[in-house]
Parts: sequence; C-alpha cells; structure tokens
Amino acid sequence: SQTIHQWPATLVQPVGSPLSLECTVEGTSNPNLYWYRQAAGRGLQLLFYSVGIGQISSEVPQNLSASRPQDRQFILSSKKLLLSDSGFYLCAWSVGDTGELFFGEGSRLTVL
Amino acid sequence: GQNIDQPTEMTATEGAIVQINCTYQTSGFNGLFWYQQHAGEAPTFLSYNVLDGLEEKGRFSSFLSRSKGYSYLLLKELQMKDSASYLCAVVDSNYQLIWGAGTKLIIKP
Repeated sequence: SQTIHQWPATLVQPVGSPLSLECTVEGTSNPNLYWYRQAAGRGLQLLFYSVGIGQISSEVPQNLSASRPQDRQFILSSKKLLLSDSGFYLCAWSVGDTGELFFGEGSRLTVL
Repeated sequence: GQNIDQPTEMTATEGAIVQINCTYQTSGFNGLFWYQQHAGEAPTFLSYNVLDGLEEKGRFSSFLSRSKGYSYLLLKELQMKDSASYLCAVVDSNYQLIWGAGTKLIIKP
C-alpha cells in the first residue's frame, strides 16, 4: 500500500533562518507531488506541484522554493523565513486524473 | 475568477443530521471532493462526485448538481468524533484542485 511521510512535524524558527521540510512517498511510482500551506482558519493554498523529477511548478510567488531530487521525494525550502511563512504545511500525492489527494501528516511551522 | 463558498461554521447536536453546503464557480469542472480535517491533522478523503446525484457511504452522503454549481455533504446520526472541518474542493479544467476555506462543524452533546 502507498504511504506518505513528511517531517519534521513541528518547527519553531526565528525570522531570517533557513527552512527545509521533507516529504517521501512509498508504494507508488511517478506520483504527482504537492506542497500546500494552510493558515489558521483558512483554506488550503497550493504552493508547488511536481509531475516528475526536476519538474516544479510554482503557484504563488514567495520566498519559498521546492525541489524533487528523486521520484518519490519532495522538499520545501527557504533561505530566509518571514513571519508570514508561519502555518501548517502539507505534502500530498496523487495518481491519475481524478485529482484525489493523499496527504502527509503535516508540519506546523512557527516563525518568531 | 474561481470561487468556492461554504459556511464558515456550523453547530449541531449529537445524534442529529446536518447538511453542509458548497457552491462553486470554476473554469471547467472535473469532479468535486469532500475532505474531513480534524484540528491539527491532515485532511482525509470522504467522497468524490463527478455526476449529478447522491452518493451514499454509511452515515455520510454527498450530493452534486452541476447545473447549479452546488454540492452538499449530509452527515447523519452525528457523533462527537464528527467535530472537524469539512473541506469542499473542485477539480477544474486543468485538473487542479480549487479549495474552499472549509466549514468548522461543532457537535454538542
């Protein structure tokens, strides 16, 4: 069966520090991969999605970046965090045309 | 622009029935999802509708009317564990998911 894991689960970082969130999927090949952010009381905001290794589409201009060094690995990074980067970050994968997403456990980032 | 509307918050009583509505205006339509999200956790899949009508799955049912741009999620025999946010999401013409802000459902004893 397919599984998805992301880490760390919780992160408290000072403004201006770097960020790296990692996500891996097991049990499937060539998945579509996504990074979402969810601010408190708000809907899911798509940040990046990837249809293959090295193929990244950015939905929102910001100080975040994403990379897909391997088929089942998706990394969200920042060189310098802003206060507005605080939120709940979710990695997800999908296969096929229906668009159904399977989410990782989530990473709660607090920037102080 | 693309827009998904659903109520911000609803309150219901344990054992009762509640209907959560979702209306959408999107560039194309390739299906509608409902997800459940407990506080601090990731969303989990509840239902998928692509054709008009009612899909029943245990205590949960989802309805779709494409001509009206409307869906609802019906929860029967409410339990305390149903307290969560319910997210409506539409698959647009590019097969991208457009998300509503979610409806926070509060169940009271």
